[in-house]
Order: sequence, then structure tokens, then C-alpha cells
Amino acid sequence: EPEVTQTPSHQVTQMGQEVILRCVPISNHLYFYWYRQILGQKVEFLVSFYNNEISEKSEIFDDQFSVERPDGSNFTLKIRSTKLEDSAMYFCASSEAVGPGYGYTFGSGTRLTVV
Amino acid sequence: QKEVEQDPGPLSVPEGAIVSLNCTYSNSAFQYFMWYRQYSRKGPELLMYTYSSGNKEDGRFTAQVDKSSKYISLFIRDSQPSDSATYLCAVHGSGNTGKLIFGQGTTLQVKP
Repeated sequence: EPEVTQTPSHQVTQMGQEVILRCVPISNHLYFYWYRQILGQKVEFLVSFYNNEISEKSEIFDDQFSVERPDGSNFTLKIRSTKLEDSAMYFCASSEAVGPGYGYTFGSGTRLTVV
Repeated sequence: QKEVEQDPGPLSVPEGAIVSLNCTYSNSAFQYFMWYRQYSRKGPELLMYTYSSGNKEDGRFTAQVDKSSKYISLFIRDSQPSDSATYLCAVHGSGNTGKLIFGQGTTLQVKP
């Protein structure tokens, strides 16, 4: 069964450093997303991406965050200057379309720890 | 008022029990509703997707939506220890960007 692949599975970084989280969505999917989940809290939407541009972003997704689809297969989330409160699980997801019957496939996540 | 509310539990039941998981949502514009299952340290996995009031059944799982009361339910029949996980309800945001809004998640433990 096709899956969304995320790397690395765990990243530890020092506060103020830049991190890039990587995702390979399912090949025929057109919509891409990043979500995060702080330990013990709900899964929160960060950004949606379609046709090589951001279609929606949340209040969390401030100027420190950026997304990119550098080639036909990868989808990345960059955090420019990490803060302690950025520590969370980050999930990438993709979908073929938006609407009834189109579910989302999530990756297994990257656990980001900022120290 | 939170957009999607879900009792976080935890909920513990014996094997074979019927489990009822519930969410409420605040915006009547929400049309598409999903249930995800999340195992520890894994991403959410889609269980059921529904977009109208009424019931939808898939094996031991039944999703129910009542739009008049903005209430979403997931029923699990003959629960198994392998059903032990966190169950997340989610709704599509009111735009057309595919954004999902999740509930807090309910942690379920099914004891053998």
C-alpha cells in the first residue's frame, strides 16, 4: 500500500538553529500538508500546499516556517530559527484531491526536540 | 468555543465490549467528517469518512453524524485489544484547501 515517508524520524536541534523536515508524499497525490502535535495535545494544522503554492496556513505558520517542493517527489518544512516551543511531532500528509471520499494519508512523523 | 471537542478519556473497556466515541463541532458549515486511529508514535490512520447525516458502517466500525446537533460518533463492536489506540475525530475546514481540524483524541484501551 502506498505510504507517505518522513525523514528523519527524530531530530534534536539547538535553539536558534534551522531544521528541515523532509517528506515524500504518495506519487499521484496533488495536495500536501504539514501538521504538528505537541505532546499530549491535539493534532494542529500548519499549512496546505497545492499547485506549487500555499493554499492555506494557520496562525502557527509564521515567518519562521516555510515549505517547498524542490522536485517532483519531496515536500519539505523548514523552521528557520527553532524555539523550545517548536518541540513536537510533525506530520506530513497528502491527498489525491479534496472532497468526499478523498482521505488523507499521514506519514509516521518526525519528532523534533529543541534543546 | 473550540471548533471540534472530544473527550480525551482515557476509556478502558473489556474485550468484546461496544465502544462509543463522540465529538461535537461548532460550525454548521462543516460538511465532511472523519475518524482517524493513531497508535503511539505513529501518524493518524484514516478509519472512516462520511459527509452526510446518518450511519456508515465498515466491518465492526460504524460512524454516525447528526448535523442538527453537530454531533459525530464512532461505534466499535466486539472490541479487540488491537483496537487500543487514540481515536481522533476530524472535520474539513470550511474552505476548499483540504485543511483538517482535529479533536483532542480519545485514548481507548481494550483489556483482554
